[in-house]
Amino acid sequence: AQSVAQPEDQVNVAEGNPLTVKCTYSVSGNPYLFWYVQYPNRGLQFLLKYITGDNLVKGSYGFEAEFNKSQTSFHLKKPSALVSDSALYFCAVRDTGGGNKLTFGTGTQLKVEL
Amino acid sequence: GAVVSQHPSRVICKSGTSVKIECRSLDFQATTMFWYRQFPKQSLMLMATSNEGSKATYEQGVEKDKFLINHASLTLSTLTVTSAHPEDSSFYICSARDSLATGELFFGEGSRLTVL
Repeated sequence: AQSVAQPEDQVNVAEGNPLTVKCTYSVSGNPYLFWYVQYPNRGLQFLLKYITGDNLVKGSYGFEAEFNKSQTSFHLKKPSALVSDSALYFCAVRDTGGGNKLTFGTGTQLKVEL
Repeated sequence: GAVVSQHPSRVICKSGTSVKIECRSLDFQATTMFWYRQFPKQSLMLMATSNEGSKATYEQGVEKDKFLINHASLTLSTLTVTSAHPEDSSFYICSARDSLATGELFFGEGSRLTVL
């Protein structure tokens, strides 16, 4: 079975500072990895994905994530945080070994303060 | 990017009534749509996979007679919460996979159901 862990319920960072939201995964085959962002009472917005190729993936709104196979991690990063980045972030994995199911982590609330 | 429209965004109903939520892919065809349920400050729980022209596949523990799913066309899936009760109050989110693409899912804006 596939699973995703987001070890931090909340991350606080000052505006202008770099941010990291952690994610580790477990799959039986090769993973497809995703990051989504959710604003209050809204659906999920796609940020970026890793399918294959370059381990550093660049996505929307200046976010990027690094796929690390040995550590089974896919941490989300941004060099300079904005207050408007404050939201709930979900990491998700899809096992390419079979099926279409996307498994989500428990989410990390990012709070960017002035 | 592709757009998934979900309607209604908010609905309040009385206990015992049924509520239908629609999920439409506006600019692409989706043979597969997914229905999720999200409790406050929790992750998304996959309820069922909706397959166009066939029966939905429900996750373990989800009552198929309670949560009726219909996927009659390549752009529309509906979730009907039958005989709703207060414990059914939740945020329901649908997503759709572009039939011609791989990997990425497009999500609706969600529907907040409140059962009184």
